[in-house]
Amino acid sequence: ETGVTQTPRHLVMGMTNKKSLKCEQHLGHNAMYWYKQSAKKPLELMFVYNFKEQTENNSVPSRFSPECPNSSHLFLHLHTLQPEDSALYLCASSPNGRVSYNSPLHFGNGTRLTVT
Amino acid sequence: TQLLEQSPQFLSIQEGENLTVYCNSSSVFSSLQWYRQEPGEGPVLLVTVVTGGEVKKLKRLTFQFGDARKDSSLHITAAQPGDTGLYLCAGLFMEYGNKLVFGAGTILRVKS
Repeated sequence: ETGVTQTPRHLVMGMTNKKSLKCEQHLGHNAMYWYKQSAKKPLELMFVYNFKEQTENNSVPSRFSPECPNSSHLFLHLHTLQPEDSALYLCASSPNGRVSYNSPLHFGNGTRLTVT
Repeated sequence: TQLLEQSPQFLSIQEGENLTVYCNSSSVFSSLQWYRQEPGEGPVLLVTVVTGGEVKKLKRLTFQFGDARKDSSLHITAAQPGDTGLYLCAGLFMEYGNKLVFGAGTILRVKS
């Protein structure tokens, strides 16, 4: 059983819909991340939260809005998305907000998002 | 051009064959991680290499870190269908504030 749980596993939404992705980690970590994974492209870091504070926003369009109410939960609110936003969205956690050789990322199984 | 290049992009082999995948950069890593991502799941860490020239073994998987810390390889001996998946390397780059950068991955399919 993964220590990082993402829901839903699959999501199909229209461009005018509003939906949210949820991530929960049971590892006692203090940092949480959103990544976007598209076919044949490297994982793209979107947001980083460390101790509930956003420490990184990687020039992500405002149609993606993250929320981190506590160190165990992370949300990604979606509105007026475009078809090119279709991808696998991965949540990850780490002990602290600085990934290092002895502090790797623990990923969830992702939400497969399709924007129609 | 990506900071981290992985090759090949796709590999399809028969069970029992050996294979090597590569991860290269023109910049120096402070450390490098290898992940495997099985279909429908998230990436899972396999190993971290830190020292130039380091070799680590994980059952049939052998990981090598280049002496200059600009490249790494993953060699699988006698591949099995269970090895099928996406292999990702991710480097911590000193000149980029030790941010973790991922390669695009190598898709491995092992046929029985």
